[in-house]
Amino acid sequence: EVQLVESGGGLVQPGRSLRLSCAASGFTFDDYAMHWVRQAPGKGLEWVSGISWNSGSIGYADSVKGRFTISRDNAKNSLYLQMNSLRAEDTALYYCANTIRGDCCKGPFDYWGQGTLVTVSS
Amino acid sequence: SYELTQPPSVSVSPGQTARITCSGDALPKQYAYWYQQKPGQAPVLVIYKDSERPSGIPERFSGSSSGTTVTLTISGVQAEDEADYYCQSADSSGTPLFGGGTKLTVL
Repeated sequence: EVQLVESGGGLVQPGRSLRLSCAASGFTFDDYAMHWVRQAPGKGLEWVSGISWNSGSIGYADSVKGRFTISRDNAKNSLYLQMNSLRAEDTALYYCANTIRGDCCKGPFDYWGQGTLVTVSS
Repeated sequence: SYELTQPPSVSVSPGQTARITCSGDALPKQYAYWYQQKPGQAPVLVIYKDSERPSGIPERFSGSSSGTTVTLTISGVQAEDEADYYCQSADSSGTPLFGGGTKLTVL
């Protein structure tokens, strides 16, 4: 059974940093691309960032480019998102998701975790 | 910037057919995917590559594509299908994006 478990969310002041983690199990982690997708309270889904199986291809949404950094550790079956210079508009539930049935970085997002909540507020 | 456009809401009675559309200029060249999200839950992939259905997804869910519009069809809608539905594709540079979502109400 595929499991994706996010952690690291919390309340943080504007301008500060936070690092999210996603622990994966139930599939061959180092075979597949991984992504972060977020959802602001009461809003729709927004793709944030994606990384190929070998970290050779990485992409970011314009809204986070230059502030967020995605990475993975295949030895630990883990995905990370380093978030710097956080803004109020980054407040959202952050989901980790994998791509198994499609192209590395275009989707789909086959399996999702339950998300970790990031709140940016003073 | 590129957008995927969905109707904000669709309403149907139980047993009827619900059709949710998603429009975007790049859809003829990029696959579309559909996700179902129920309140308080993570999204679930229900259609991939325009019309393929993952194992475990009921046969009443189907997808189709015509030009710049893709459609999610739910035949014989059940009360449990009430949810938000999101289409997803990629722009011309391969960057993933989602439609704004459609709230399906089962009357």
